[in-house]
Amino acid sequence: KQEVTQIPAALSVPEGENLVLNCSFTDSAIYNLQWFRQDPGKGLTSLLLIQSSQREQTSGRLNASLDKSSGRSTLYIAASQPGDSATYLCAAPFSGNTPLVFGKGTRLSVIA
Amino acid sequence: EAQVTQNPRYLITVTGKKLTVTCSQNMNHEYMSWYRQDPGLGLRQIYYSMNVEVTDKGDVPEGYKVSRKEKRNFPLILESPSPNQTSLYFCASSSPSQGAGQEQYFGPGTRLTVT
Repeated sequence: KQEVTQIPAALSVPEGENLVLNCSFTDSAIYNLQWFRQDPGKGLTSLLLIQSSQREQTSGRLNASLDKSSGRSTLYIAASQPGDSATYLCAAPFSGNTPLVFGKGTRLSVIA
Repeated sequence: EAQVTQNPRYLITVTGKKLTVTCSQNMNHEYMSWYRQDPGLGLRQIYYSMNVEVTDKGDVPEGYKVSRKEKRNFPLILESPSPNQTSLYFCASSSPSQGAGQEQYFGPGTRLTVT
């Protein structure tokens, strides 16, 4: 069964730090990988989508990388701000016609 | 504005009283799905639909029904809700016909409490 794992489950950093969130998956044949942000009790906001043929994607202070051979993706957040505090989820479909398999998320707290 | 909408956003009901949560998307997406999110368990898929009149079970389909009569709508039906269906529900859509790398869009969520 395909699984997506995120470690750590929670992370607290001071404002201004650069940080990396990790995501690993059991099957290298993923179709793509998507990073989401979720604020407490709210919906999911898509941050970045990396296609299986890509190595990374960037949006503002966010950079996501994908290494299919090692079964890993990372989300790099530069110069973190208190407004970045949220739960970050990664998810992947393991073929084009299958649903997203989600990790359980990393809860990030950025302390002012 | 491209979006996925869900209604209601919040619902408190009693055991056994049938309910429907609606989901609608305005992006002409073929693929739609429902997830539930529970503490410690993360997001799990309930049902999905590849296109009109085509639906299939996800990981946790027991106690739920869906229908896909129109491309834009994908309602989730709880025929006889039970307390273990108390959860946060999300609808999502995407367009596989766009090829590799299709992004999934999520609705704002429906918080359901069954007493």
